Amino acid sequence: DAGVIQSPRHEVTEMGQEVTLRCKPISGHNSLFWYRQTMMRGLELLIYFNNNVPIDDSGMPEDRFSAKMPNASFSTLKIQPSEPRDSAVYFCASSFGQISGNTIYFGEGSWLTVV
Amino acid sequence: GENVEQHPSTLSVQEGDSAVIKCTYSDSASNYFPWYKQELGKGPQLIIDIRSNVGEKKDQRIAVTLNKTAKHFSLHITETQPEDSAVYFCAASMGQGAQKLVFGQGTRLTINP
Repeated sequence: DAGVIQSPRHEVTEMGQEVTLRCKPISGHNSLFWYRQTMMRGLELLIYFNNNVPIDDSGMPEDRFSAKMPNASFSTLKIQPSEPRDSAVYFCASSFGQISGNTIYFGEGSWLTVV
Repeated sequence: GENVEQHPSTLSVQEGDSAVIKCTYSDSASNYFPWYKQELGKGPQLIIDIRSNVGEKKDQRIAVTLNKTAKHFSLHITETQPEDSAVYFCAASMGQGAQKLVFGQGTRLTINP
């Protein structure tokens, strides 16, 4: 079975450009999470979806960040305009059902550098 | 607030010795406590988890203990091996319906041969 698939794996972009990160959750999973990892702040939950509906977006840092899940097999995280402080590793993760009973599986991450 | 504190931030032990990492959490409603291992350049991978109706769980060289009254839980690795070197994260379920994971800051574990 394929795990959580993220693209791109690495991206270097200039400040002010739009960045779109993509995620394909594990087939059959109905919860999807976007996390950001930095040295200073560790792993932070940005937003999570259940059955394609955003449930909690309180971790989204500001209006420059947006996330969508148009169907059960695809999600995007968009940053527009990007800034150097957005440089981080962005992880997508998915699970089936309630997390208290099921494992959350992480993708390999998208390494973003904004110069 | 929703918070998980993890200690120590770095830990170095001799191969064959034991390693212990401790976490405390803020939300008394938390009911799920997984531990993840992250190797360089990879995503976190679950190594063991425990639910609030259990006080201890063991899987070969790895064990986790939970004290709900004190709101803390610990990871114990015995007979450490070089391949145990990695960053370890604890997490606790929080939020509405305890449906999201809040992570600790991570512990960089180094096993010295």
